[in-house]
Amino acid sequence: DSGVTQTPKHLITATGQRVTLRCSPRSGDLSVYWYQQSLDQGLQFLIQYYNGEERAKGNILERFSAQQFPDLHSELNLSSLELGDSALYFCASSLDGDSGNTIYFGEGSWLTVV
Amino acid sequence: GQQVMQIPQYQHVQEGEDFTTYCNSSTTLSNIQWYKQRPGGHPVFLIQLVKSGEVKKQKRLTFQFGEAKKNSSLHITATQTTDVGTYFCAGRGTGTASKLTFGTGTRLQVTL
Repeated sequence: DSGVTQTPKHLITATGQRVTLRCSPRSGDLSVYWYQQSLDQGLQFLIQYYNGEERAKGNILERFSAQQFPDLHSELNLSSLELGDSALYFCASSLDGDSGNTIYFGEGSWLTVV
Repeated sequence: GQQVMQIPQYQHVQEGEDFTTYCNSSTTLSNIQWYKQRPGGHPVFLIQLVKSGEVKKQKRLTFQFGEAKKNSSLHITATQTTDVGTYFCAGRGTGTASKLTFGTGTRLQVTL
């Protein structure tokens, strides 16, 4: 158990809909990361937050947005969903946002868009 | 932007054989991390390398960081079925607030 909690574990929704994925980082970690992993694909970095502020941005679509709240949990909002958005979405956390910190992954949220 | 490639994409070995995956970055890295993802699981941190030319060992696993800090390798001696999974390297750039870029991964299959 990494200590990173993600909900929901599985989600099936229709095209055009909007979903919210939730993440609670490990106790004490200030930084949260979101990654997308499609079937048989690598880990695509979406976005990173550190102590409530956006720290780094990756290949995140405009239809997607995220935020980190004062209690440090984070949400990833996916809107106008397309079939191609079906993937495993990982949240990860680290002590801070700088070089040298281990990133701990949650178990992921499986999103299926039908 | 920074790109991190791994080769091979997939390797199938018999138990007891050795295995190596190579990681190459398009830019110089400040450090590199390695993760293992078991089938159906999430990536789990294995190790971090920081210094040029650094070599670290964990039992049957040997990790190397290249002299130019642009490449790395993971070597597994005498593979076991428990080594099955996808191995990812992840490199962090040298700028401030640089992000961690994961490699494309190498999927290892081990059979008896």
